Amino acid sequence: DVKVTQSSRYLVKRTGEKVFLECVQDMDHENMFWYRQDPGLGLRLIYFSYDVKMKEKGDIPEGYSVSREKKERFSLILESASTNQTSMYLCASSFVSLYLNSPLHFGNGTRLTVT
Amino acid sequence: GENVEQHPSTLSVQEGDSAVIKCTYSDSASNYFPWYKQELGKRPQLIIDIRSNVGEKKDQRIAVTLNKTAKHFSLHITETQPEDSAVYFCAALTPRGKLIFGQGTELSVKP
Repeated sequence: DVKVTQSSRYLVKRTGEKVFLECVQDMDHENMFWYRQDPGLGLRLIYFSYDVKMKEKGDIPEGYSVSREKKERFSLILESASTNQTSMYLCASSFVSLYLNSPLHFGNGTRLTVT
Repeated sequence: GENVEQHPSTLSVQEGDSAVIKCTYSDSASNYFPWYKQELGKRPQLIIDIRSNVGEKKDQRIAVTLNKTAKHFSLHITETQPEDSAVYFCAALTPRGKLIFGQGTELSVKP
């Protein structure tokens, strides 16, 4: 069974702090994604990565950066946390082609509160 | 830009009735359309998907239809049960490999 593990379930940070959200998958998936989930807005893509050291902006990359130094790990970085970044953050992974019957596997999510 | 519109945002049905959730996508080149179910406090899980070369797919009580001309796809759940209560998300895969999600539908099945 695919396991996508997010390091924290709940996180509380102060405005201006640098925040790291870590995600690890154990299925040798090429693709990894970071989404944020907000009521009424669904899941919005922040960044995704197709390979090590590779990243592409999603729909809402502003205020975020990512790092993929190893295939199994994809980190989301909030350079200077702000209150509007309070949200549920979901990491996901998949094999190279979603089209070819490779579903997205999600982690349990990290609920981040910025005060 | 690329987006997926999902309706309704909430849906309440009686146990045994059918439920239909509809989505419209903007990128006509999208070729893969999965549906995810998210139970309260849990991660989204894939329940069914359809590719652009197919018009309909069924798996027991759930079915998905795709109208490529209208850029519209729908999820149909028949004989609903209380355990079907959850938030459902549709999504569309763009040629660039981005999976764009709809806003979600909160389905409530009343016993």
